[in-house]
Amino acid sequence: AQSVTQPDIHITVSEGASLELRCNYSYGATPYLFWYVQSPGQGLQLLLKYFSGDTLVQGIKGFEAEFKRSQSSFNLRKPSVHWSDAAEYFCAVGPPGYSSASKIIFGSGTRLSIRP
Amino acid sequence: GAGVSQTPSNKVTEKGKYVELRCDPISGHTALYWYRQSLGQGPEFLIYFQGTGAADDSGLPNDRFFAVRPEGSVSTLKIQRTERGDSAVYLCASSPERGEQFFGPGTRLTVL
Repeated sequence: AQSVTQPDIHITVSEGASLELRCNYSYGATPYLFWYVQSPGQGLQLLLKYFSGDTLVQGIKGFEAEFKRSQSSFNLRKPSVHWSDAAEYFCAVGPPGYSSASKIIFGSGTRLSIRP
Repeated sequence: GAGVSQTPSNKVTEKGKYVELRCDPISGHTALYWYRQSLGQGPEFLIYFQGTGAADDSGLPNDRFFAVRPEGSVSTLKIQRTERGDSAVYLCASSPERGEQFFGPGTRLTVL
């Protein structure tokens, strides 16, 4: 069965420090991969996505993610976090051949807190 | 331009009552999705529409849940005989023919 695992429920980092949020997936083939961010009272916003090609993907707000097929991982990184990055982050997968007409399976999320 | 809107933003109801949740997608988006997000969890797929028809309703938990999109734009999620376990944030998303899903702010449903 398809699934997404985010092993870290809550992470706290100092402002200016680097960040890595982990994501592992289980899928029959290489799925389409996404990272979303959800701030309090806000809707889910897409940070970045991987469909194919270069395994290092750049997104908005200075985030990037690296797809590693051998590890079934798609970890999210940021070199220097800002207090405004405090939010809930969700990794998600869509099926191979993803189109708009496809459901997305989400992980359970990682809550990011920023220490001043 | 306007994003996905959902009404109401909050809904409190009593166990056993009927509720309707509305989603207005981004104009021109052909696909519309409903997800449910329980506290501390990621969104869980319920149903999606391509145009007016439900293309995949495999995520609806039981027959108390039903959704319509009669004119291929606005959608309504309907829940009959609500139960306390239905309490969650219900998210709607829309997308163009091929591409990113854009999410609305959600409707927080509380069943007392």
